Amino acid sequence: DAGVTQTPRHEVAEKGQTIILKCEPVSGHNDLFWYRQTKIQGLELLSYFRSKSLMEDGGAFKDRFKAEMLNSSFSTLKIQPTEPKDSAVYLCASSLAVDKNTEVFFGKGTRLTVV
Amino acid sequence: GEQVEQRPPHLSVREGDSAVITCTYTDPNSYYFFWYKQEPGASLQLLMKVFSSTEINEGQGFTVLLNKKDKRLSLNLTAAHPGDSAAYFCAVGGSALGRLHFGAGTQLIVIP
Repeated sequence: DAGVTQTPRHEVAEKGQTIILKCEPVSGHNDLFWYRQTKIQGLELLSYFRSKSLMEDGGAFKDRFKAEMLNSSFSTLKIQPTEPKDSAVYLCASSLAVDKNTEVFFGKGTRLTVV
Repeated sequence: GEQVEQRPPHLSVREGDSAVITCTYTDPNSYYFFWYKQEPGASLQLLMKVFSSTEINEGQGFTVLLNKKDKRLSLNLTAAHPGDSAAYFCAVGGSALGRLHFGAGTQLIVIP
């Protein structure tokens, strides 16, 4: 029973590089979320898709962060260019229909380190 | 928009003691709530889903209370054990967009 799959699990990038994180949601789920998790800020929403349409993107992250959902089973998060302050764990999550009170399932995350 | 405040950020208790984590939210239209547990190096796992019509929800070794009047959600671990050591997050939903708003998390340490 595949949950939310994220790759890679770890990524190290130099400042100024472009990196792409990948996510496969649970099959059949309509809602997909990207979060950034840090100890100081906690969980911050980066993007929210419903049926592949972008519903919300975190205003503070529009500049260098771009999430896309090319099909219902695959999403990417591009950070361009990376900065050291982007070092964090990036979590992808999916839900059947979050406004219908269905559970949100989280992936194991990608730990990004920008040097 | 919705604001969720979670307290305390850190909590240490001895094994067998109770531990209480509380979240307050601002949107009176919020109608569903979740508690998640995150163990070190792992992702968030659902602990309990709470319906707005139910004020008391009991799980294995814990109770979740919902006070809609005060807009407060609490997680009460009744007799904590070292395996409960983890980060706990509340999440509140029900806005027009439907997405969840998370608390900042509570790092719980249970001392043997």
